[in-house]
Amino acid sequence: AQTVTQSQPEMSVQEAETVTLSCTYDTSENNYYLFWYKQPPSRQMILVIRQEAYKQQNATENRFSVNFQKAAKSFSLKISDSQLGDTAMYFCAFMKHMNRDDKIIFGKGTRLHILP
Amino acid sequence: DSGVTQTPKHLITATGQRVTLRCSPRSGDLSVYWYQQSLDQGLQFLIQYYNGEERAKGNILERFSAQQFPDLHSELNLSSLELGDSALYFCASSVGTGVGYEQYFGPGTRLTVT
Repeated sequence: AQTVTQSQPEMSVQEAETVTLSCTYDTSENNYYLFWYKQPPSRQMILVIRQEAYKQQNATENRFSVNFQKAAKSFSLKISDSQLGDTAMYFCAFMKHMNRDDKIIFGKGTRLHILP
Repeated sequence: DSGVTQTPKHLITATGQRVTLRCSPRSGDLSVYWYQQSLDQGLQFLIQYYNGEERAKGNILERFSAQQFPDLHSELNLSSLELGDSALYFCASSVGTGVGYEQYFGPGTRLTVT
C-alpha cells in the first residue's frame, strides 16, 4: 500500500523568506502523480502543484516549485518570497496512474505560518 | 470557487441519527469522490463514482453509503451516527478517471455529532 509521510507537523517563517516543506512516499508503482494541496483557514482544498512521475523536470507554478527525486521517493515543495496568504495547512498527496480508482492518498499535513 | 457545491455547510445532529450530504460536481465532470477529514485520521478517501457507477471504495464504514444520480450529483448517507463520525466531509470532482485528472474540491460539510 502507498503511504505519504510529512515529517514536519508545523513550520514558521518570516514573510518574503523561502521555505521548503518535505514529503516522502512509499510505492512500488513506476507511474503515478504527486500533488501538493493547500488548505487555508477557510478549509477549502486547493491544488498548488502537480507532478507526473514519468516527467523528470520539476514542476513550477509561479512562486511554488517542487524538488522531485524519484529514486529517493521524495517530493518537497519550495515556496519562494512567502506571503501572508500562504499561511495554511499543506498536504502532500499521491495518486496511482491508470488505476481503476483515482483515490488520492494524503499525508498528515504541515501547518505553515507566515509571520509578518 | 472550485465549481463544486456541497450542502449543507454545517450539520449538527445526535448520535444514532442519519444524515445525507449532497454534492454537485463541476459542470462536465463525471467523477465524484468523497473524502473524510478528521483530527485523528487526517484526510481519507471514502468512495468514488464515475458516471453513475461506483468505481472504488476506500475506508468507508458499512454505516455509510453513497450514490451518484443520473444528473451526476452525489449523496453521501451516514447512518447510526457516532461521536467519532464528526468530521469535515469533502466532495471532489474530476472530468474523467485513470490519468491523474485534477480533482476539484468542494467547500466541505462540517458534521458535528453530539
